[in-house]
Amino acid sequence: QKEVEQNSGPLSVPEGAIASLNCTYSDRGSQSFFWYRQYSGKSPELIMSIYSNGDKEDGRFTAQLNKASQYVSLLIRDSQPSDSATYLCAVSSPGGYNKLIFGAGTRLAVHP
Amino acid sequence: DARVTQTPRHKVTEMGQEVTMRCQPILGHNTVFWYRQTMMQGLELLAYFRNRAPLDDSGMPKDRFSAEMPDATLATLKIQPSEPRDSAVYFCASGPSPTGQETQYFGPGTRLLVL
Repeated sequence: QKEVEQNSGPLSVPEGAIASLNCTYSDRGSQSFFWYRQYSGKSPELIMSIYSNGDKEDGRFTAQLNKASQYVSLLIRDSQPSDSATYLCAVSSPGGYNKLIFGAGTRLAVHP
Repeated sequence: DARVTQTPRHKVTEMGQEVTMRCQPILGHNTVFWYRQTMMQGLELLAYFRNRAPLDDSGMPKDRFSAEMPDATLATLKIQPSEPRDSAVYFCASGPSPTGQETQYFGPGTRLLVL
């Protein structure tokens, strides 16, 4: 079992819809959770961080965390074609200083 | 605008040659990470440093790869000798150290092609 699992996609949604990206992790000791966006040919860009159970909203993005279920998700409201990218889920490693474990990423395609 | 910088951005070399990649972390960040990304393997952690000291390099092929941080503004990753299977994008990332806020910021990457 991978430490951080994501559906590889592609997840295809129409413009204006809500895109829902999901991630599960295996280590219950993880405390910090991140979503990175990576456009093709570019580097990962941090878009959200979440540390406690519940929802955290930032503009069109909402991160959701459920530590009991070891589940973290990212919702993108009013999806735009510019949101088309690969979204990487990252989870802190309890044993390492600032070490993150990355999922393989979910490719999102927003079509007009 | 604080950001991680990496040089070179692109490198084409022949098998057996030495490759050196450089990274300047964000000023004030004391953790530095080296990652490799390929289509097949995704993002792999190679090594990381805290306060210039290596903490973990278990993800790195020891026989040919080496990572150092000679000062707080420079981290290097060397491959000697390089092989075609080393072709990948190599990212450096840096982050502040507060426990529980393990944010990392990525540089633009070095795209390496070994022929």
